[in-house]
Amino acid sequence: DQQVKQNSPSLSVQEGRISILNCDYTNSMFDYFLWYKKYPAEGPTFLISISSIKDKNEDGRFTVFLNKSAKHLSLHIVPSQPGDSAVYFCAAIGGNAGGTSYGKLTFGQGTILTVHP
Amino acid sequence: SQTIHQWPATLVQPVGSPLSLECTVEGTSNPNLYWYRQAAGRGLQLLFYSVGIGQISSEVPQNLSASRPQDRQFILSSKKLLLSDSGFYLCAWSAGTAAFFGQGTRLTVV
Repeated sequence: DQQVKQNSPSLSVQEGRISILNCDYTNSMFDYFLWYKKYPAEGPTFLISISSIKDKNEDGRFTVFLNKSAKHLSLHIVPSQPGDSAVYFCAAIGGNAGGTSYGKLTFGQGTILTVHP
Repeated sequence: SQTIHQWPATLVQPVGSPLSLECTVEGTSNPNLYWYRQAAGRGLQLLFYSVGIGQISSEVPQNLSASRPQDRQFILSSKKLLLSDSGFYLCAWSAGTAAFFGQGTRLTVV
């Protein structure tokens, strides 16, 4: 049962334009949602997170939007740069009753972002 | 600041051989520790997590085991590797609302 889904395996964007990465989830008990960036043969790097009680969080060029009613979140990168090319993972913390998730992350499958110069 | 070290970076092991991957965290006390695996073309799957010394929880049945002999040390082991154990293994620690990863170990079982 895939509780966190990234339905787009890849996304190609022109430099300077906006990149929009999408993520859907099924477990309404998730507390936090996170986005990670990953280069090949490296560990994921934390980018930005959002609490389930908020609908938007912004950090520089990165903004995450959360739509709880639709169980959907998205990561906007603007303007996109060639150095943003990587695999982006959506992840969620929580999902267990009584706060017993212990910080475990449930990941989506990832989306490969390619930003063309 | 907190740092996480994971080694080795790459490993090629024959089928049936043992495995030991080590992870240590610096700059924090009593962290939650995790082992994840990324199989080829897939997302990251949680294998084990630990909330304290000697406390290990397994998320999926498998050929691997984990141990936490010290507060900031997490070890992933196997007595006999299978071909299906090949993958990219990642150690992570959690600050509660985010997790921070090591650089990963590429394991190839031949």
